Amino acid sequence: DTAVSQTPKYLVTQMGNDKSIKCEQNLGHDTMYWYKQDSKKFLKIMFSYNNKELIINETVPNRFSPKSPDKAHLNLHINSLELGDSAVYFCASRHRGNTIYFGEGSWLTVV
Amino acid sequence: DQQVKQNSPSLSVQEGRISILNCDYTNSMFDYFLWYKKYPAEGPTFLISISSIKDKNEDGRFTVFLNKSAKHLSLHIVPSQPGDSAVYFCAAPPYSGAGSYQLTFGKGTKLSVIP
Repeated sequence: DTAVSQTPKYLVTQMGNDKSIKCEQNLGHDTMYWYKQDSKKFLKIMFSYNNKELIINETVPNRFSPKSPDKAHLNLHINSLELGDSAVYFCASRHRGNTIYFGEGSWLTVV
Repeated sequence: DQQVKQNSPSLSVQEGRISILNCDYTNSMFDYFLWYKKYPAEGPTFLISISSIKDKNEDGRFTVFLNKSAKHLSLHIVPSQPGDSAVYFCAAPPYSGAGSYQLTFGKGTKLSVIP
C-alpha cells in the first residue's frame, strides 16, 4: 500500500482552467504538506496543515487553495491556471519525527 | 535566499568506487540534516539523517559526515552501485515557530553510477 498517494500523476490542461490534485496518506500522520518542484528543480514548500489547520502558507498566489477535509487528506485546488504553474507538485506528510514522507508527485503541464 | 546549497549539479562515478555528495548550509541554527534520494518520476525518499550533536552517521553503504564549523555535510556511498543512480537532495528544518516544521532543500545532485 502506498503511504502517501496523490492523483492524478500526470495532468495536461489549458491556461485558464481550474484543476485539483488530491492527496491521501494512510500513515496516521498529523501534518501534511504541498511542495512544488519548478523547472529549476528547487523543491519548495507551499503549504502545511496540522490536524486540518493551516500552519504554513508560503508566498503562493491565492489561485492556489489547499483544502483538508480530514487529517488524512490534503487536496490542492488551482484556479485560472497559468503557464508558469507547470511544475511537479508533491504531497507529503509527517508525524512527530524529523522525516517528511513524500508522495510520487503530480506532473502538471499547462498549455 | 538559499540556505542549503548543493553546488554540484551532477556527479559520475564508476561502479564499486566511492561517491561523495556535498552540501553546504548558511544557517548556523540548523541542528538536523537529512538526505533524500529521488528516482525519475518518483517522489523523494528518505535516505539518512544526522543530528548536529554527531559528526558522523552510518547506515550500511551510506555515511553522512557533518562539519559544523565549516557548515558542510557530505554523503558517502561506498561501494557505489548502478541502482544508486538518482538525484540526491540535502535538506534541513529551519525553525519557524512551534508546529511549523518543514524542510528546506538543496537543488540536488544527480549521481550516475557507471557499470
